[in-house]
Amino acid sequence: ENVLTQSPDTLSLSPGERATLSCTASDSLSKSVAWYQQKPGQAPRLLIYDASHRVAGIPARFSGSGSGTDFTLTISSLEPEDFALYYCQDRSDWTLTFGGGTKVEI
Amino acid sequence: QVHLQESGPGLVKPSETLSLTCSVSGDSISASSYMWAWIRQPPGKGLEWIATVYYNGDSYHNPSLKTRATIYMDTSKNLFSLRLRSVTAADTAVYYCARQHFGYNVLDLWGQGTLVTVSS
Repeated sequence: ENVLTQSPDTLSLSPGERATLSCTASDSLSKSVAWYQQKPGQAPRLLIYDASHRVAGIPARFSGSGSGTDFTLTISSLEPEDFALYYCQDRSDWTLTFGGGTKVEI
Repeated sequence: QVHLQESGPGLVKPSETLSLTCSVSGDSISASSYMWAWIRQPPGKGLEWIATVYYNGDSYHNPSLKTRATIYMDTSKNLFSLRLRSVTAADTAVYYCARQHFGYNVLDLWGQGTLVTVSS
């Protein structure tokens, strides 16, 4: 079973600052890491797929990188609406796995 | 515009079976580009994938739920469903249905979610 570990649990930043979120996979054969944003009371929203491809309509300040076991979501300059929970997700052997999440708070 | 809507009872008694339905509008669940999934989120906790079904009937389940979960689809009604047997309080969660891209295996469209509480 592929385990995804996200760090840090909480990131306390101010608007305009850069956010760097990490997702580490236990399985080196990790494929197609995706990133989701979730705001309170809402369903998650897909931001990034295949590690670095931004979904249409997602602002350019969101970017993804990484390969193998280490993946990163970067928000270049935080806007007030970016303060939320972020999850990474992987697929291996036809099962989906989520990381525990990182909360980006003001 | 594609829309997913979950429906089902908000309260289920322990040991009973939880049944939820996801109605899909604006797209055919028989399209080969997509799969259809259930995900849940216990209050204050993270996301857990439950199961996925493909238009040809192939299905995949989270091993942690063992044989308690069954996902199936009704193409004539353009919906897919989840059955979770022998529920306990640990199954209390917001249950989401979602569209899963076949190639990238990401969940690109989600329903709003429905809270299911397991309690006597």
